[in-house]
Amino acid sequence: DTGVSQDPRHKITKRGQNVTFRCDPISEHNRLYWYRQTLGQGPEFLTYFQNEAQLEKSRLLSDRFSAERPKGSFSTLEIQRTEQGDSAMYLCASSLGSYNEQFFGPGTRLTVL
Amino acid sequence: AQSVTQLGSHVSVSEGALVLLRCNYSSSVPPYLFWYVQYPNQGLQLLLKYTTGATLVKGINGFEAEFKKSETSFHLTKPSAHMSDAAEYFCAVNRRGGGADGLTFGKGTHLIIQP
Repeated sequence: DTGVSQDPRHKITKRGQNVTFRCDPISEHNRLYWYRQTLGQGPEFLTYFQNEAQLEKSRLLSDRFSAERPKGSFSTLEIQRTEQGDSAMYLCASSLGSYNEQFFGPGTRLTVL
Repeated sequence: AQSVTQLGSHVSVSEGALVLLRCNYSSSVPPYLFWYVQYPNQGLQLLLKYTTGATLVKGINGFEAEFKKSETSFHLTKPSAHMSDAAEYFCAVNRRGGGADGLTFGKGTHLIIQP
C-alpha cells in the first residue's frame, strides 16, 4: 500500500490553456473524491466516484471541469480554458466502506498566470 | 446542509502546554466528525474520527477529541504540545448521513508552538 498519489505535484499554465491531473487511489478503495483548496481555506468538495460511476458533482464544478474514472481505478480531473481563479491545490482522496475515512494524496498545486 | 466552524484561525501555545482547538458543527443528520492535520505542501492526514459509540475519541500523536452533542462540538486536545505539532488542523463533518459521499471542512486552525 503506497497511499494515494497525484501527478503532477505542481502545474503552472497560462490562462486559457487546458490542464489534466491524475490521481491513483489506494488499490482496494472503491470511492474516490476530488477537493479544491485555496489559500487559507479548508478543502471544498468537488466530486466523487464509486468505482467508475460519478455520483455527484458540486456546483463549484463548472462546465469547464470534467472528471473521469474509466476503469474504477485511477481518476483524471481536466480543466478546460483555465482562469486565474482556478489557481488552487487540487486534492484527491480515496476510501473504502461507509465510515468515510478518507486518505488524501499530496495534492496538485495549480498556478494559472 | 452541514457546516463546520473552527474558532480561531491561529492558535499559539508554548511547548509543553495544553493544546485546545475548537470545532463546532451543524448537521441535520447524525454526524460523523473528523480531525485532519496538514503539514506544509502535504496532503491531509487523519488524526481521529467519531462515528458512533464512545464520545471520547483517541487519535494519533497523543491527540483526542470529545463529541458533545448538546454543544454540537468536537474540540481537539493534546495535554502537552510538541514542536512537531506545528501545522494546520481541519475539522470536518460528513456531507450527508452516514454515507461516504464526501466531507465538509472548516477553514482550519494554524497551530503555532512557541519554544
